[in-house]
Amino acid sequence: ETGVTQTPRHLVMGMTNKKSLKCEQHLGHNAMYWYKQSAKKPLELMFVYNFKEQTENNSVPSRFSPECPNSSHLFLHLHTLQPEDSALYLCASSLSVGTGSEETQYFGPGTRLLVL
Amino acid sequence: DQQVKQNSPSLSVQEGRISILNCDYTNSMFDYFLWYKKYPAEGPTFLISISSIKDKNEDGRFTVFLNKSAKHLSLHIVPSQPGDSAVYFCAASASGTYKYIFGTGTRLKVLA
Repeated sequence: ETGVTQTPRHLVMGMTNKKSLKCEQHLGHNAMYWYKQSAKKPLELMFVYNFKEQTENNSVPSRFSPECPNSSHLFLHLHTLQPEDSALYLCASSLSVGTGSEETQYFGPGTRLLVL
Repeated sequence: DQQVKQNSPSLSVQEGRISILNCDYTNSMFDYFLWYKKYPAEGPTFLISISSIKDKNEDGRFTVFLNKSAKHLSLHIVPSQPGDSAVYFCAASASGTYKYIFGTGTRLKVLA
């Protein structure tokens, strides 16, 4: 059983809708990440939070708004998305940020998003 | 410009034989490398990693080799099992950063 859960697993929304993706990690980690995976493309890092503080915003459009109320929970608020935002959104967590074995990232199952 | 490349989108191997998945990178600052496995409808699962101070790391049936001069790493699975059928991603990062740069993945099919 994965220590990182994501809800919903599938989401269909119109371009005028507002929705939120939720991620929860049960691993006692302090860093959490949002990634986007589009078809035929590598995973792209979107946001990084370390001890609830945002440390990275990888030039993500403002229609994506992250929120990290505590080290175990991470949200991605979506509003006025475009069809090209349809993708698999993956959450990950690690013990801390950096490189090395302690910073290995563990992924949730993802939310498959379709924007109509 | 893709810094991490997996040039083989797919690979088929007979059960019991060796599977070799390859990954090339261009950034000489990368010093930590990982392999993830992904089943359909699941997130990537961490498989094995290697630091640039090593050239080999082994964990059961999985071995990762790193050739720094060639900027190449490979994942060997031996013996391959049908349950190994999945998409395999390599990823790389540089000290002082936490950004993983992922390849596009190789779909491995192990034939029974």
